[in-house]
Amino acid sequence: EDQVTQSPEALRLQEGESSSLNCSYTVSGLRGLFWYRQDPGKGPEFLFTLYSAGEEKEKERLKATLTKKESFLHITAPKPEDSATYLCAVQAHTGNQFYFGTGTSLTVIP
Amino acid sequence: DAMVIQNPRYQVTQFGKPVTLSCSQTLNHNVMYWYQQKSSQAPKLLFHYYDKDFNNEADTPDNFQSRRPNTSFCFLDIRSPGLGDAAMYLCATRQTGGMDSNQPQHFGDGTRLSIL
Repeated sequence: EDQVTQSPEALRLQEGESSSLNCSYTVSGLRGLFWYRQDPGKGPEFLFTLYSAGEEKEKERLKATLTKKESFLHITAPKPEDSATYLCAVQAHTGNQFYFGTGTSLTVIP
Repeated sequence: DAMVIQNPRYQVTQFGKPVTLSCSQTLNHNVMYWYQQKSSQAPKLLFHYYDKDFNNEADTPDNFQSRRPNTSFCFLDIRSPGLGDAAMYLCATRQTGGMDSNQPQHFGDGTRLSIL
């Protein structure tokens, strides 16, 4: 059964304190792993797609990496505006379905 | 800007009173999705359309139905809402096929449904 698990559930960081969010997955043939940011009362906003183990993508203070079993979202020197829930989703080789994790709620304190 | 628009943003209905949520897109994407998201939970896929082909998730309650009359619009009908159906409903679109098989989903801002 395809499954996505994110940890931690919640993370509080001081401004400037770097950390990483984890997304572990089991899927029958990975077509893509997707990271989204979701602000309260809004829909998820696309951040990155990763396709194969060893791949890395960067955007401002965020860097996403992928292995055969998990992905990490590294946040370097976060700012309060980075506070949001970060969702991970995987797409299997078969079909158009995406399977989401429950997300990590990140709070960055000034 | 091309986008995914959901109406209304907030919907209040009475227990058992049918309600329809709508989604429109200007992206001309061929796949449209409906998700249910409850507080602190993962978005749960209810349906998706690949063009006009309807795909129902196995655990989507019979109380939920969907229509896609054309490429741009998709509707979610809840025939007899119960208290457990209170949630955020998210619509997403995606272009797929050929070189686009790995494209991400684009989401609307959701409709928050409350049941009285």
